[in-house]
Amino acid sequence: AQKITQTQPGMFVQEKEAVTLDCTYDTSDPSYGLFWYKQPSSGEMIFLIYQGSYDQQNATEGRYSLNFQKARKSANLVISASQLGDSAMYFCAMRAHTGRRALTFGSGTRLQVQP
Amino acid sequence: NAGVTQTPKFRILKIGQSMTLQCTQDMNHNYMYWYRQDPGMGLKLIYYSVGAGITDKGEVPNGYNVSRSTTEDFPLRLELAAPSQTSVYFCASSNTVENEKLFFGSGTQLSVL
Repeated sequence: AQKITQTQPGMFVQEKEAVTLDCTYDTSDPSYGLFWYKQPSSGEMIFLIYQGSYDQQNATEGRYSLNFQKARKSANLVISASQLGDSAMYFCAMRAHTGRRALTFGSGTRLQVQP
Repeated sequence: NAGVTQTPKFRILKIGQSMTLQCTQDMNHNYMYWYRQDPGMGLKLIYYSVGAGITDKGEVPNGYNVSRSTTEDFPLRLELAAPSQTSVYFCASSNTVENEKLFFGSGTQLSVL
């Protein structure tokens, strides 16, 4: 079984500052992937970034980076230079590379960017 | 590029009614999923399918049924709707590549009153 834990229900950040959203996970699968999705108030699920369990380097996608610490089973999302449009719910998710390949989601963190 | 299309976007049901949520994808993905999202929560897997003719239960399958007669379509059937099924429902699809993200539909907001 897989489990994702996001311990920050809500976060505030000033515009142009960086923010880290925490995610820890638990799995017995040897090979897996970690994902972050953004859900704005409009409700759609927007893919942000992916990290494979065997990737040696941390993933980056523009202003998003994933701080992956495999031994600690953490996959924190770092957003640099926050913008007002970053205000949204953020979900961490994982997916085993075998079996049903469905994503298991955390409970999410609501980020509010203040001007 | 249509991607994953869900219909309807909104629906209100009375207790005991039934309905089908439609989902279709045009990316020739083998894997398809149904999730529900309760207010302020993450997404929970209802059912999934790894290909036409193959479906299996997720975490919260009770009260729902699915079928997968084609690669493109994966409808979700609610029988005897209950207030506990008030939620937002998302359909998603992906291919078999390990790092492939899930593509989500825009969601169906369902209220059971």
